[in-house]
Amino acid sequence: NAGVMQNPRHLVRRRGQEARLRCSPVKGHSHVYWYRQLPEEGLKFMVYLQKENIIDESGMPKERFSAEFPKEGPSILRIQQVVRGDSAAYFCASSPQSRDHSSYEQYFGPGTRLTVT
Amino acid sequence: TQLLEQSPQFLSIQEGENLTVYCNSSSVFSSLQWYRQEPGEGPVLLVTVVTGGEVKKLKRLTFQFGDARKDSSLHITAAQTGDTGLYLCAGSEGGYGGSQGNLIFGKGTKLSVKP
Repeated sequence: NAGVMQNPRHLVRRRGQEARLRCSPVKGHSHVYWYRQLPEEGLKFMVYLQKENIIDESGMPKERFSAEFPKEGPSILRIQQVVRGDSAAYFCASSPQSRDHSSYEQYFGPGTRLTVT
Repeated sequence: TQLLEQSPQFLSIQEGENLTVYCNSSSVFSSLQWYRQEPGEGPVLLVTVVTGGEVKKLKRLTFQFGDARKDSSLHITAAQTGDTGLYLCAGSEGGYGGSQGNLIFGKGTKLSVKP
């Protein structure tokens, strides 16, 4: 019973390059969330997706950031033209589609630590 | 904007002591989760509380959701060194299509249990 998987675990990019972060949710989970954790700060919500749909992207910067969750394959968080301020840990979480309490629960992956040099 | 305040920020105790950490908000949440996070890892879900006044126990950990669903506490009895970590509370405002949408996180309580 695999949990949420994220890769890569560590990613180093130079300023101006693109970063692609991948997330495979728990098998059977149809909801994916991306969060960002800056040093000494709490996790901040970025975007919430279901298969092929963005449900809520209110926490994601309008410029340079995009996310998708295709019908097949992992969810991707893409950051174009990275800047030093993008350095952070990016976490993906998934939850099931359910009418009981299990739908409240989000299960997190190990994160991708992005360093922009 | 809903905020979750956690206190204390840091807590250092000896093995065997009891402790309580708090999570407070001025807003009502439909549910609240507690997570524990180790350095370099993702948060691990400990418990979800949904009903006002609800109390849940997980071995030596007791979680309580306030009657008004605005606050929560985590009590650890006879702390062990293995309890060391960052404890996060996270509230859910509401949901879409059967899920509860995004979580709002507190900044956490960093617990250190010394032998």
